[in-house]
Amino acid sequence: AAGVIQSPRHLIKEKRETATLKCYPIPRHDTVYWYQQGPGQDPQFLISFYEKMQSDKGSIPDRFSAQQFSDYHSELNMSSLELGDSALYFCASSLVRDQETQYFGPGTRLLVL
Amino acid sequence: AQSVAQPEDQVNVAEGNPLTVKCTYSVSGNPYLFWYVQYPNRGLQFLLKYITGDNLVKGSYGFEAEFNKSQTSFHLKKPSALVSDSALYFCAVRDPLGRLAFGKGNQVVVIP
Repeated sequence: AAGVIQSPRHLIKEKRETATLKCYPIPRHDTVYWYQQGPGQDPQFLISFYEKMQSDKGSIPDRFSAQQFSDYHSELNMSSLELGDSALYFCASSLVRDQETQYFGPGTRLLVL
Repeated sequence: AQSVAQPEDQVNVAEGNPLTVKCTYSVSGNPYLFWYVQYPNRGLQFLLKYITGDNLVKGSYGFEAEFNKSQTSFHLKKPSALVSDSALYFCAVRDPLGRLAFGKGNQVVVIP
């Protein structure tokens, strides 16, 4: 079965640079979630989208923005990167009528130097 | 706010022995509870969930979990652990807006 796809899988950036992470949800899933997992930490909710509209926002810095496109893929844009942004970024998707279960992608590991 | 707690950092168990990973929850309203497993450098894999119904929930890879309302617990169990079960296990609760709040995770080490 198709899973959530994230790209790139690994990304190395310098401080103050920008990064764009992409997420392709499971086909026919209409809801996308972004989570950040710092080293040795549990995943923290950043933001979610339903039918291309932002539906909820968590502890996402103002330097970060995200959107969901007409084909339901989502992009997380990160600007003015800081060392503390180094983390594993997960995307998850779900169906609204089964919105209780979120299926996660493999994650993008971002390292800010 | 919805939250879960996983009181142990690491669980060591001999291969073939029963495995239990503990989780307690704090919610307002009905709890939507989940277990996920994370292998090194991998994403979170869904194991099972409790929404409503039977208190004993069966999931993937032989795992099950027991929902206990009086003890506000949702412990993950497996009758006979395998070395390949060694991983990081997260309990999570879903809030009314759909976001998941995770516990700190339990590192499970299955000793051959």
